[in-house]
Amino acid sequence: DVKVTQSSRYLVKRTGEKVFLECVQDMDHENMFWYRQDPGLGLRLIYFSYDVKMKEKGDIPEGYSVSREKKERFSLILESASTNQTSMYLCASSLPGAGVFYEQYFGPGTRLTVT
Amino acid sequence: DQQVKQNSPSLSVQEGRISILNCDYTNSMFDYFLWYKKYPAEGPTFLISISSIKDKNEDGRFTVFLNKSAKHLSLHIVPSQPGDSAVYFCAATDNAGNMLTFGGGTRLMVKP
Repeated sequence: DVKVTQSSRYLVKRTGEKVFLECVQDMDHENMFWYRQDPGLGLRLIYFSYDVKMKEKGDIPEGYSVSREKKERFSLILESASTNQTSMYLCASSLPGAGVFYEQYFGPGTRLTVT
Repeated sequence: DQQVKQNSPSLSVQEGRISILNCDYTNSMFDYFLWYKKYPAEGPTFLISISSIKDKNEDGRFTVFLNKSAKHLSLHIVPSQPGDSAVYFCAATDNAGNMLTFGGGTRLMVKP
């Protein structure tokens, strides 16, 4: 059974703090993604990685960075948290390829509140 | 500018009736489309997909229709059940990598 886990379900941080969100997948997937979900805006891609140590910016990378040192782990870093980064953060993974391989598997999400 | 749009933020349907969720896209390079379902406090789960070479794909109670000329797809759920109450996202991708572009979501409420 495929599984994507995220380190925290709920997180409350203060403005200016450095925040780490961890994601681990056990499916040996090459691709990993970080999204944020906001009402009416759907899921917006922050960063993705198609291999260890490789990363690409998504649609909204500003204020975020990522790290992928191991294939199964993809970390999202908020260098200096701000209130407009309060959101639901979702991690996903997928195999490379076309057609059915476009399917991404999601973790349960981390609800981050920045006060 | 959103390339994938779900213009109805919410939809309410009676149990047993048909639910129709709509999605429009603007990027003519999109060639594969997916629907995801999301319950509160859970991550989205894949529901059904369709390639641009088809105009219909069916899986049990769920059918997705694609109208390429109109750049429109729809998800039909027949019959609707209370357990179908969730937020539904449509997503699209072109052949340049494995990124998905998501719509804003439609909250479906199926009333018993």
